[in-house]
Amino acid sequence: DGGITQSPKYLFRKEGQNVTLSCEQNLNHDAMYWYRQDPGQGLRLIYYSQIVNDFQKGDIAEGYSVSREKKESFPLTVTSAQKNPTAFYLCASSPWTGRQYFGPGTRLTVL
Amino acid sequence: AQKVTQAQTEISVVEKEDVTLDCVYETRDTTYYLFWYKQPPSGELVFLIRRNSFDEQNEISGRYSWNFQKSTSSFNFTITASQVVDSAVYFCALSESPQGGSEKLVFGKGTKLTVNP
Repeated sequence: DGGITQSPKYLFRKEGQNVTLSCEQNLNHDAMYWYRQDPGQGLRLIYYSQIVNDFQKGDIAEGYSVSREKKESFPLTVTSAQKNPTAFYLCASSPWTGRQYFGPGTRLTVL
Repeated sequence: AQKVTQAQTEISVVEKEDVTLDCVYETRDTTYYLFWYKQPPSGELVFLIRRNSFDEQNEISGRYSWNFQKSTSSFNFTITASQVVDSAVYFCALSESPQGGSEKLVFGKGTKLTVNP
């Protein structure tokens, strides 16, 4: 089945550690996105990528980094510089012209 | 800057009642898209509708209907004869018309709907 995979579903890390969230899609979509969701809030865009080896900052990129070495993969690293990393992280992808499709999300808790 | 406002934070209804979720948006673009997504407790976003700014016709899909009024910058969502399975957080979102490539979405804060049996 085609879709977007995010792993793991739940992730726990100690404060001060970097952590990488995985996002893989087999939809052959060109664009990929990372969003952050806090309780009672809407989604906010962290980073997005239109093509391989290219990505742009979204509204809340500070403390995060990404890479896009393959079309299918868009991993997000939450660095120790991110002040409040505990949140629900959603990955999405879209074709060149078309709506975004979302993955199941990863809930990150920093202890 | 684009902005989406969902003034209703939480709504609680009894099963079989009709319920309308409000969405008001701001944009300077003449061409844009509006969306509604459903987020059940599992967390995954479920796509409900995507509407082009040039298409102001109301749309009905089963128990769901959408009222798009450009004059008031609103895109309201109505669930008819609500069911317990409709309980979720509903998000309204706005994007600029994509020129190709990425489409940046701006989300409202969501409305939590609880349908009681």
